Amino acid sequence: GQQLNQSPQSMFIQEGEDVSMNCTSSSIFNTWLWYKQDPGEGPVLLIALYKAGELTSNGRLTAQFGITRKDSFLNISASIPSDVGIYFCAGQLRTSYDKVIFGPGTSLSVIP
Amino acid sequence: DSGVTQTPKHLITATGQRVTLRCSPRSGDLSVYWYQQSLDQGLQFLIQYYNGEERAKGNILERFSAQQFPDLHSELNLSSLELGDSALYFCASSVETRSPLHFGNGTRLTVT
Repeated sequence: GQQLNQSPQSMFIQEGEDVSMNCTSSSIFNTWLWYKQDPGEGPVLLIALYKAGELTSNGRLTAQFGITRKDSFLNISASIPSDVGIYFCAGQLRTSYDKVIFGPGTSLSVIP
Repeated sequence: DSGVTQTPKHLITATGQRVTLRCSPRSGDLSVYWYQQSLDQGLQFLIQYYNGEERAKGNILERFSAQQFPDLHSELNLSSLELGDSALYFCASSVETRSPLHFGNGTRLTVT
């Protein structure tokens, strides 16, 4: 079945640094979603991407839908301590089933 | 606050027992999804409902079942519980099956 890979698995960065993470798949998706999960809470939607090549920003976050439709990227600029958490990508197929598949996550730690 | 409500927040039970987890979707959302997240694991898709009907099944065990009621709330039933069933169970909802998912804060199930 469909599977997503995320890299890096974890990151430790200094406050103020920019962050890049990506998500790849062997399958094509029609929608890419990025979520952030804080400890003990549910994932919160950050950005949704619907078209190949699309570049979308949400504050300091920017995400791109890869041209091949098999990958997506998330960048965080000028990181701050509250950016700490696990970032999940998710791919959605627009089929009769519309399943949403999640990657294993990238754990981000920000050192003040 | 995502608008998705899950109860109970915590559940501790013994092996062999049966539990029911409840989810109320956001107002207006017709689609409900259930995910399992084990310790330090990603989100594993269990099952999806749309307007009362099952739409997609993931890696859901035969011991688990779910349903969505006419008022659109959903219940996930877990029976013959095993230690390995201990996990966070998340419910998510979306307006329709091709819209981004919005997650509740989960039910933490501990099987002893």
